[in-house]
Amino acid sequence: QVHLQQWGAGLLKPSETLSLTCAVYGGSFTGYFWSWIRQAPGKGLEWIGEIDHAGSTNSNPSLKSRLTMSVDTSKNQISLKLTSVTAADTAVYYCAREGTLTMYYMDVWGKGTTVTVSS
Amino acid sequence: EIVLTQSPDFQSVTPKEKVTITCRASQSIGGNLHWFQQKPGQSPKLLVKYASQSFSGVPSRFSGSGSGTDFTLTISSLETEDAATYYCHQSKSLPYTFGQGTKLEIK
Repeated sequence: QVHLQQWGAGLLKPSETLSLTCAVYGGSFTGYFWSWIRQAPGKGLEWIGEIDHAGSTNSNPSLKSRLTMSVDTSKNQISLKLTSVTAADTAVYYCAREGTLTMYYMDVWGKGTTVTVSS
Repeated sequence: EIVLTQSPDFQSVTPKEKVTITCRASQSIGGNLHWFQQKPGQSPKLLVKYASQSFSGVPSRFSGSGSGTDFTLTISSLETEDAATYYCHQSKSLPYTFGQGTKLEIK
């Protein structure tokens, strides 16, 4: 059964870089798209972006200029970096398996990483 | 960007009641609409994929319908464990988007 484990720094100061990693265990990594989603405190879900096993990415235009996503197929891991963070980036960040070209829905989610941006 | 608008934002319901949540898309998304349930402190869980296909392991009281711009999630007989926030999500076009959420409270 596929399991996603995610980690990263939980407390950042404004202007620092947010860095998160998500590891995939127990299932296939290649052939899938993997996504990042975030949820600000008390708010709804926001799609950040996606990456496939080959490193092809798509991202939310609202974050694109600050966002870098990468993949390490040797470790079955994806990573996210978001530069120049502000308090508005405070959120729970989730990784999720987004699907394949023929079955495109988020069926497996990580537990989430809480990121707080505060001076 | 496709905007998904859910209604209602909040509903207080009694057990065994039938619940209907709607999701309207700002443009046609075909059947590329999925429903999630999120309980406090937990990750979202997939309930329905492609508008009407129940996801594996989801209780049969959850069902979805609709296509194009108008979609519905129905809980046929509400149970206390269904207290949660429900989100619709479109995977038709980038950037993918979510509805604002519908919070169900059990009376």
